[in-house]
Amino acid sequence: ETGVTQSPTHLIKTRGQQVTLRCSSQSGHNTVSWYQQALGQGPQFIFQYYREEENGRGNFPPRFSGLQFPNYSSELNVNALELDDSALYLCASSFFQRDEQFFGPGTRLTVL
Amino acid sequence: AQSVTQPDIHITVSEGASLELRCNYSYGATPYLFWYVQSPGQGLQLLLKYFSGDTLVQGIKGFEAEFKRSQSSFNLRKPSVHWSDAAEYFCAVGSNTDKLIFGTGTRLQVFP
Repeated sequence: ETGVTQSPTHLIKTRGQQVTLRCSSQSGHNTVSWYQQALGQGPQFIFQYYREEENGRGNFPPRFSGLQFPNYSSELNVNALELDDSALYLCASSFFQRDEQFFGPGTRLTVL
Repeated sequence: AQSVTQPDIHITVSEGASLELRCNYSYGATPYLFWYVQSPGQGLQLLLKYFSGDTLVQGIKGFEAEFKRSQSSFNLRKPSVHWSDAAEYFCAVGSNTDKLIFGTGTRLQVFP
């Protein structure tokens, strides 16, 4: 059984650029949630995708968007990057509202 | 407002000593409660969860937590800490197993 994987591991961008982060969910899971973890903070819920539709969103602006594909993998897109977007982005997969969600190792995004 | 408070930013204990990490929550509905651990450069690993039933829950690695509704608390305990327990610990609350609200974390340092 393959766990949750994320790519890339690290990424450096400049202000105003766009970025795409990727997540492969654990085998058998149909739900993907994304979290942002700023340095020294706990993770903050960005949004969740279930059956390729957004299913809940946290307090993040529309420039944070996502996709879920038929194989349940997911992308997080961030447009017009700001310095405050620098963070660890965590993806978690689960079987919709059942049992626990499993987290990937994260993508460290640095915005200069 | 829904929130999680972890009052202790940093705790230092000696190996073999007992440990208690505090967590208080504010949540309108019946909460699902979680404790996660994060080692440097790693994603989050679930230690234990509480949904209903017995208010004392057992988790992995010898951890336990007690849900006290009257105090809105869900403190994590371990009778004897090992050096490998050094990590960041996060308490989280949700209406289900995902879309969680996390606390800011407690960094545990263990001295030999």
